Amino acid sequence: GDSVTQMEGPVTLSEEAFLTINCTYTATGYPSLFWYVQYPGEGLQLLLKATKADDKGSNKGFEATYRKETTSFHLEKGSVQVSDSAVYFCALNSNTGGFKTIFGAGTRLFVKA
Amino acid sequence: DGGITQSPKYLFRKEGQNVTLSCEQNLNHDAMYWYRQDPGQGLRLIYYSQIVNDFQKGDIAEGYSVSREKKESFPLTVTSAQKNPTAFYLCASKTSGGAPNTEAFFGQGTRLTVV
Repeated sequence: GDSVTQMEGPVTLSEEAFLTINCTYTATGYPSLFWYVQYPGEGLQLLLKATKADDKGSNKGFEATYRKETTSFHLEKGSVQVSDSAVYFCALNSNTGGFKTIFGAGTRLFVKA
Repeated sequence: DGGITQSPKYLFRKEGQNVTLSCEQNLNHDAMYWYRQDPGQGLRLIYYSQIVNDFQKGDIAEGYSVSREKKESFPLTVTSAQKNPTAFYLCASKTSGGAPNTEAFFGQGTRLTVV
């Protein structure tokens, strides 16, 4: 079945460091891909998305490119801030089984001042 | 403002009791979902509904029940049959369960603790 694998955390960075969180997927066909962010004690909110191969999603300085050849959707940010500390989830919309959203396990990011 | 409202935010339950978590949305979305989140883990799908009066089991439906009598509402009941109910529960909705490029909108979650 469809699945999402993302790098384990926690990831600890200093402010202004470069961030990469790896995400790879297994799916039938060409799913849409998403990154969601969860701040402490809250629900998830959409960070960015890409709906077809080679699309780049971007928001708030974060970027991710849909790479069909490597089945990847890595999240990057050039300069992180303390306020970026959160849990980041990679996800895909399955093309089978009622178009469910499949989530990765999440990666916790800590940014130190 | 449109959104999804989950209530209560914190809920305590005694062992052997059923409890119902509320989820209401005013986004006019067709599809609604319930997820369970445990510490350090991802989201696991409990139940989902793509249309009123219809719902499907997710990956971990045992010990849970739902109803979808109105488009706006998708309550989740955690029954006494659920062996380990302490968790963070998230409700989500999408404009259409059948559209592959639509994102999910989430409520703020309900933290259930069995005491």
